[in-house]
Amino acid sequence: EAGVTQSPTHLIKTRGQQATLRCSPISGHTSVYWYQQALGLGLQFLLWYDEGEERNRGNFPPRFSGRQFPNYSSELNVNALELEDSALYLCASSLAGSTDTQYFGPGTRLTVL
Amino acid sequence: AQSVTQLGSHVSVSEGALVLLRCNYSSSVPPYLFWYVQYPNQGLQLLLKYTSAATLVKGINGFEAEFKKSETSFHLTKPSAHMSDAAEYFCAVSVGYSTLTFGKGTMLLVSP
Repeated sequence: EAGVTQSPTHLIKTRGQQATLRCSPISGHTSVYWYQQALGLGLQFLLWYDEGEERNRGNFPPRFSGRQFPNYSSELNVNALELEDSALYLCASSLAGSTDTQYFGPGTRLTVL
Repeated sequence: AQSVTQLGSHVSVSEGALVLLRCNYSSSVPPYLFWYVQYPNQGLQLLLKYTSAATLVKGINGFEAEFKKSETSFHLTKPSAHMSDAAEYFCAVSVGYSTLTFGKGTMLLVSP
């Protein structure tokens, strides 16, 4: 069974641009989570989607947004990129409900120059 | 709100020695607790999970963790370290319908 997949693996942008990151959950999982892992800041929760709806949001500005599609895949958009947005962005999926085990993808490394 | 504290950003052991990675949590309600491992340039892999069943939880690769409510701890142990165990380990807590809150991580270094 395929795990969580993310694309692209690496993404290089310049300050002020927009970045789009994609995630495909494990088949049968309806919840998708996004986390940011920035150097020195640890893993921080960004967004949680379930059944196409945003269920929870971490302490990030509105320029971090996303959506979940009918096939449960998800997209994370980061607008007006800043240097400090450089990080590894991890996507995870679980069966419905956040108390279920979250399975992580390999991540997208975003570099903002 | 829940929180996790991992004591020691780096832990060094010799191959064959006991591994002990410490995790303390704070939660006003019974939590779910997790240990994940992250190898360089990879995502997180679940090692084990506590969900209020048995307090001693066995995971993959010979790791286990014991939930101690009185100490609010969920320390990760492995009797004998292997070189392949070198990685970063994250403890995480989930309460109710909240999402995972992670500790800062502990880098395990294994020397021959």
